[in-house]
Amino acid sequence: EVQLVESGGGLVEPGGSLRLSCAVSGLTFSDAWVSWVRQAPGKGLEWVGHIKKGGAADSAEPVKGRFTVSRDDSKHTIYLQMNSLKTEDTAVYFCAHNAGHYDDIWGYFLASWGQGTLVTVAS
Amino acid sequence: QSALTQPASVSGSPGQLITISCTGTSSDVGNYNLVSWYQHHPGKAPKLIIYEVTKRPSGVSSRFSGSKSGITASLTISGLQPEDEADYYCCSYAGSDTLLLGGGTKVTVL
Repeated sequence: EVQLVESGGGLVEPGGSLRLSCAVSGLTFSDAWVSWVRQAPGKGLEWVGHIKKGGAADSAEPVKGRFTVSRDDSKHTIYLQMNSLKTEDTAVYFCAHNAGHYDDIWGYFLASWGQGTLVTVAS
Repeated sequence: QSALTQPASVSGSPGQLITISCTGTSSDVGNYNLVSWYQHHPGKAPKLIIYEVTKRPSGVSSRFSGSKSGITASLTISGLQPEDEADYYCCSYAGSDTLLLGGGTKVTVL
């Protein structure tokens, strides 16, 4: 069974930084493709970014240049480094395992999710 | 890219059938049979219930089914049960390794 456990959330002031971690087990980690998805209070789910096997990463426009997804295969952990935080980044952050292979398309659904970690950006 | 469009809320009585729509564009829902659906009880981890438009992961009730026509995908819940009360999100592959999520639909069991 694939399990993902997020940690690192907390209260941070606007302009500050925070690093979230996502510990992954139950699969061949070096092959894993993992996404970060967030849910702001009273809002829906929003894709934040992902990292593929080998380390290629991407992020959504609202966070591009501020958030970076990385991985440490030796620790089976995915990270979300969040800099220049804004109040609108306040949300529960989930990590999820991308799965699926169709033709030359990979990772098109989120098969397993963590419980999430709360990030509050406020002064 | 804009989020996929879902109704904000859908309700039904126990035992009824309800359908949730998810409208995208010809670049996402209309271009790929790679739509997935997630059930989210607040405070818990979201759960995959449908992938590749119609497929159910092992352990997901057969009361959940998916379909697609053109740029609109649908999730149908038959025999609605109290435990189905949750938020539901659609998701579509949108090319270039991008996933597009819907705004979410709150299902209320009356």
